[in-house]
Amino acid sequence: AQTVTQSQPEMSVQEAETVTLSCTYDTSESNYYLFWYKQPPSRQMILVIRQEAYKQQNATENRFSVNFQKAAKSFSLKISDSQLGDTAMYFCAFMGGANSKLTFGKGITLSVRP
Amino acid sequence: DAGITQSPRHKVTETGTPVTLRCHQTENHRYMYWYRQDPGHGLRLIHYSYGVKDTDKGEVSDGYSVSRSKTEDFLLTLESATSSQTSVYFCAISEGPLRGQETQYFGPGTRLLVL
Repeated sequence: AQTVTQSQPEMSVQEAETVTLSCTYDTSESNYYLFWYKQPPSRQMILVIRQEAYKQQNATENRFSVNFQKAAKSFSLKISDSQLGDTAMYFCAFMGGANSKLTFGKGITLSVRP
Repeated sequence: DAGITQSPRHKVTETGTPVTLRCHQTENHRYMYWYRQDPGHGLRLIHYSYGVKDTDKGEVSDGYSVSRSKTEDFLLTLESATSSQTSVYFCAISEGPLRGQETQYFGPGTRLLVL
């Protein structure tokens, strides 16, 4: 069974600065997908970024980028130029190969200070 | 945003009563999922469906049943609600398991309180 670990329960960052959220996972599969979801106070789950394991290039979406280290089974999210609207809980999630099931980490609460 | 609605959005019920939550999509996606979210656990999969009348269990399926008679609707039923089923329930959809189709999009959630 796959596991996803987010060891930091909370983080805080000053507006306009950069913050990195950590995620590690454990799997025996060679082909899989990794995701970061954002959950603001509205509770809506919003896809932030997606990474395919077979792609060596790290995914980027505007201010959001990942550092994908396949050998280390690490998938961290970097948020550049943090904005107040980035305040939310962030979940790392894993999906193995042809298995369509998502396994989530416990989440990290990010607060952006003005 | 993906066209996913959940009803009701909030519900308070008593222990032992049956409860049905509905997920409705307008995207014609093949896969639909039910998750529950609890503090300290992230989201956990309850059941999922890979087509009309095709369903399978997830990680925390005990006490829940599901049905899917139409592509657009996926129902989650608590036959006899218990206080441990107090949670926020999310529905999600995806096109399928193939590369490029696997991303799941979530509904707004249903907050259920079982007294």
